[in-house]
Amino acid sequence: AQSVTQPDIHITVSEGASLELRCNYSYGATPYLFWYVQSPGQGLQLLLKYFSGDTLVQGIKGFEAEFKRSQSSFNLRKPSVHWSDAAEYFCAVGAAGAGSYQLTFGKGTKLSVIP
Amino acid sequence: GAGVSQSPSNKVTEKGKDVELRCDPISGHTALYWYRQSLGQGLEFLIYFQGNSAPDKSGLPSDRFSAERTGGSVSTLTIQRTQQEDSAVYLCASSLGGGGASYNEQFFGPGTRLTVL
Repeated sequence: AQSVTQPDIHITVSEGASLELRCNYSYGATPYLFWYVQSPGQGLQLLLKYFSGDTLVQGIKGFEAEFKRSQSSFNLRKPSVHWSDAAEYFCAVGAAGAGSYQLTFGKGTKLSVIP
Repeated sequence: GAGVSQSPSNKVTEKGKDVELRCDPISGHTALYWYRQSLGQGLEFLIYFQGNSAPDKSGLPSDRFSAERTGGSVSTLTIQRTQQEDSAVYLCASSLGGGGASYNEQFFGPGTRLTVL
């Protein structure tokens, strides 16, 4: 069974600073990988996804993530954080093939942004 | 177009009572999912509906939980004899199709916050 670890429960950064949110996964084959963002009182919005190919994927809102198979990681990055990025971020893994509709989520990282 | 909607947005109930949570998926989406988000936890898969196929109920935590989807559209998640540990945010998502060879993005609703006193 797959699993996802987000080691950082809460991160605080200053506006304009760079950001990296960590995600490690466990899965026996090539996974589908996702990052979602959840603003207070809102549902989850997909930021980006990785299925195959180029290991550096670009998403919405200036986010990117890099798939590193050797490290079983899929870290999310942004070069310059905006105050509106304050939210909770979830990494998720999906199994390719049958049952791929099931997503397994990490526990999330809450991002606070200091003006 | 309209996104996934859920009602009510908040529900407070007493221990032992039954509750029903509703999800209206995006029109044309054949797949529908329910997840539970407990405080400090990630999202936990509960149940999956795809078209007319039998639902995948493998994530339901107990037989107090059930869900149905009428006419391939609206879904209702029912929790019987609620317990305090059922307090959580219940999220619904829908997608154009299920999984398999190609992945279809899941679009999430805003959730229903359930509080069991």
